[in-house]
Amino acid sequence: TQLLEQSPQFLSIQEGENLTVYCNSSSVFSSLQWYRQEPGEGPVLLVTVVTGGEVKKLKRLTFQFGDARKDSSLHITAAQPGDTGLYLCAVPNRDDKIIFGKGTRLHILP
Amino acid sequence: ETGVTQTPRHLVMGMTNKKSLKCEQHLGHNAMYWYKQSAKKPLELMFVYNFKEQTENNSVPSRFSPECPNSSHLFLHLHTLQPEDSALYLCASSQDLSRSQETQYFGPGTRLLVL
Repeated sequence: TQLLEQSPQFLSIQEGENLTVYCNSSSVFSSLQWYRQEPGEGPVLLVTVVTGGEVKKLKRLTFQFGDARKDSSLHITAAQPGDTGLYLCAVPNRDDKIIFGKGTRLHILP
Repeated sequence: ETGVTQTPRHLVMGMTNKKSLKCEQHLGHNAMYWYKQSAKKPLELMFVYNFKEQTENNSVPSRFSPECPNSSHLFLHLHTLQPEDSALYLCASSQDLSRSQETQYFGPGTRLLVL
């Protein structure tokens, strides 16, 4: 059973559009991280959220941790080609080891 | 540039070859990790080292052999691999063992193809 479900798996949209991707689970987590992995590179941490309902903003990216700390969303406003990449969510499991979702592969068309 | 470098960036090897992947971190971190990233699976943690000591082996086959001579360097020795081992191998480091809010810094990975 996949601990983390990320949706959609793939998303291709035009530059300037808005989008939201999701990271869901049936488990409660103490924190959740979002990473972005650009083609040919390793993942880079974008944000860590720790409080239920927490909202964090990073320029055009808005991250929200669900009230029950079971899920999270990432909203991008006015997407740009530089936003293209694989977006991964990661959480600590019961052993406090970090596990990753399969990711959402995002492609922004110029 | 994350402060974690990996060489080679690309590697093609036959099933009978022996090769090694190298990772170096310039961040003064104490913990280092090897991950495998395949096309249709999540990032899979393979090995964890803390202060040069292996703290985790995630049921990885013995044809993968890690080595950590010091806190800055990590190797993955490869021997008698299978085609299904083809993947992107990522190295990461963190200040301390990865806990819930610890940041991991990843290298660019080695893209491995086993023929």
